[in-house]
Amino acid sequence: GDSVTQMEGPVTLSEEAFLTINCTYTATGYPSLFWYVQYPGEGLQLLLKATKADDKGSNKGFEATYRKETTSFHLEKGSVQVSDSAVYFCALSAISNFGNEKLTFGTGTRLTIIP
Amino acid sequence: AAGVIQSPRHLIKEKRETATLKCYPIPRHDTVYWYQQGPGQDPQFLISFYEKMQSDKGSIPDRFSAQQFSDYHSELNMSSLELGDSALYFCASSLPGQGRYEQYFGPGTRLTVT
Repeated sequence: GDSVTQMEGPVTLSEEAFLTINCTYTATGYPSLFWYVQYPGEGLQLLLKATKADDKGSNKGFEATYRKETTSFHLEKGSVQVSDSAVYFCALSAISNFGNEKLTFGTGTRLTIIP
Repeated sequence: AAGVIQSPRHLIKEKRETATLKCYPIPRHDTVYWYQQGPGQDPQFLISFYEKMQSDKGSIPDRFSAQQFSDYHSELNMSSLELGDSALYFCASSLPGQGRYEQYFGPGTRLTVT
C-alpha cells in the first residue's frame, strides 16, 4: 500500500539556519504530495503541495519539489524563524480502490528553532 | 472565507460511554474525511463520504460508525469508549473530485477518555 517515510525528529536549529526535512514515498500510480504543518495545540494547515512530477510547491519561504525518479518531496527553507517551530507532516493522496483520495501521512517531524 | 467547522472542540468522556463528533464541511464541498491523531502520532484515515455515501474505509474500529447527512454535514459516533480512543479527531472536506488535490481540515475535536 501507499506509505510515506519522513525524516525523524526532533530537529533543533538556530534562527536563520537552512532547513531540510526529508520525505520519500511509496505509491502506485501518480500521487499528489503535500506538506502540512501543525502548530502547538492547533489543527493541520496545508503548507504546500505538488500534484505532478517536477512541480515545485512553495509557501512562506518553504519549498518542495516532486521528484518522481527518487520518489521524494523534501521540504526546504533557506532561513528559518522562531515562528516556524511546529510539527511538519509529509503526506500523499492517491486514488484508492474505492475511487477516493484519502491522505496517508508520514510520522511527522518536530522542528524547534532557537533564537 | 468559510472553513470546516467541528464540534465540540473538546470532549471528556468516561470509559464505556458514547460520543458523537460533528463536522460541517465548507459550503459546496460534498466529500468529508475523518482522521484520528493519537498523542504524538501521525493522523490516520478512518472513513470518508461522498454524496452521503460511504466512499472509503480505513482503520476504523467496529465500535465507531459515521454518516453524512443531506446537508453534507457528517457525524462520527463512538461507542464503548476505551482509553485508547483518546485522540484528536480531524474532519476534512473537499470539492467534488478535488480531494486528491486539496483537503481542507477543521480545527479538530480533542477527545479525552478517562
